[in-house]
Amino acid sequence: GAVVSQHPSWVICKSGTSVKIECRSLDFQATTMFWYRQFPKQSLMLMATSNEGSKATYEQGVEKDKFLINHASLTLSTLTVTSAHPEDSSFYICSARLDSFEAFFGQGTRLTVV
Amino acid sequence: EDKVVQSPLSLVVHEGDTVTLNCSYEVTNFRSLLWYKQEKKAPTFLFMLTSSGIEKKSGRLSSILDKKELFSILNITATQTGDSAIYLCAVEARSGAGSYQLTFGKGTKLSVIP
Repeated sequence: GAVVSQHPSWVICKSGTSVKIECRSLDFQATTMFWYRQFPKQSLMLMATSNEGSKATYEQGVEKDKFLINHASLTLSTLTVTSAHPEDSSFYICSARLDSFEAFFGQGTRLTVV
Repeated sequence: EDKVVQSPLSLVVHEGDTVTLNCSYEVTNFRSLLWYKQEKKAPTFLFMLTSSGIEKKSGRLSSILDKKELFSILNITATQTGDSAIYLCAVEARSGAGSYQLTFGKGTKLSVIP
């Protein structure tokens, strides 16, 4: 199946710094990528939908100035957590869609803000 | 506002039992319904359903969609402890901006005990 690579797998950063997470579709072009956040023992929460070449569509309650999403090419979307705080610590997952509507997920990024 | 409701939220069964997970939805411009299995980290894709009444099967798992009554079920027969996971239902629909978005249910947590 299609491969989606997410980097880094885990990151520890200090409060106040920014962290960038990359999501790449390795063997297909993804016009749409999704960013999710998972809280402990809970289901995935969709944060935003990223369409190549246009602004991301954020879900209600997600701060667009805090979670910057860029989808500059058909194979790369980035999520930047700006001025990270401990409450931003979470597991972030991206997925990329093929034209056939299947969504393939990255491995996820464990972010810990200290 | 698009809505996806899964039931039950949590389910505990013994190995060998058969389970049925439910997903109902209210969306405009429906395109497809997808089922995912989430264990530990990134979800894995199970099924994509676009047409009513056509059952999709993969081993002990099967799923069917009813576009008239707006629901889907996921069946797992002869459950095994390895089936323990959160099962996510997502509905894809065209957004007002012309792109496609996924709306996820909260998931059903299945626990299979020996």
